[in-house]
Amino acid sequence: QQPVQSPQAVILREGEDAVINCSSSKALYSVHWYRQKHGEAPVFLMILLKGGEQKGHDKISASFNEKKQQSSLYLTASQLSYSGTYFCGTESGSGGGADGLTFGKGTHLIIQP
Amino acid sequence: DAGITQSPRHKVTETGTPVTLRCHQTENHRYMYWYRQDPGHGLRLIHYSYGVKDTDKGEVSDGYSVSRSKTEDFLLTLESATSSQTSVYFCAISSSGGAQDTQYFGPGTRLTVL
Repeated sequence: QQPVQSPQAVILREGEDAVINCSSSKALYSVHWYRQKHGEAPVFLMILLKGGEQKGHDKISASFNEKKQQSSLYLTASQLSYSGTYFCGTESGSGGGADGLTFGKGTHLIIQP
Repeated sequence: DAGITQSPRHKVTETGTPVTLRCHQTENHRYMYWYRQDPGHGLRLIHYSYGVKDTDKGEVSDGYSVSRSKTEDFLLTLESATSSQTSVYFCAISSSGGAQDTQYFGPGTRLTVL
């Protein structure tokens, strides 16, 4: 079942913060985050595994709450280059399978100067 | 950047004609995937492969077939294209296929079925 992302869209001023959520009704083993710019391929951001870890890369970080089957992506002090559509991809089960990811419908992020 | 190419990049075809899309990788990754992307639906898995001649169906496999005769190539075939198959098709690869393994996406193929 497709994970649910919220919000569907958000418009920010440069320097503001954003949070994007990804929720699933199924038990999750991992959550993958991607960013896609218009007309381009999705670009990998980070993976979070079962265990509630939090990861960060520059000013983008994410958390994974396995009890709530939810992951959140945090963008701090947003830059114009952060604009795009953000997708979460989830993998359920034991984590040993390789049958692809189930993606949410995406969150459109627009950063204005 | 992962070495993934897709061909053709753009194609316009007519309803009822067969179409084959090609994904080629230079990373020697074992796992390959075909997704389609449509507005309002995100990315949906069509078929995937876990080795040469080893393939399986994804969420939206009806109307599609795949083949993988070499590690580096994964072909997606629409036997008789329909307008509902107008979409952007992405190929992805991963080395081990595990939940902690990154999937890297190719540049995509935009297919229009008239």
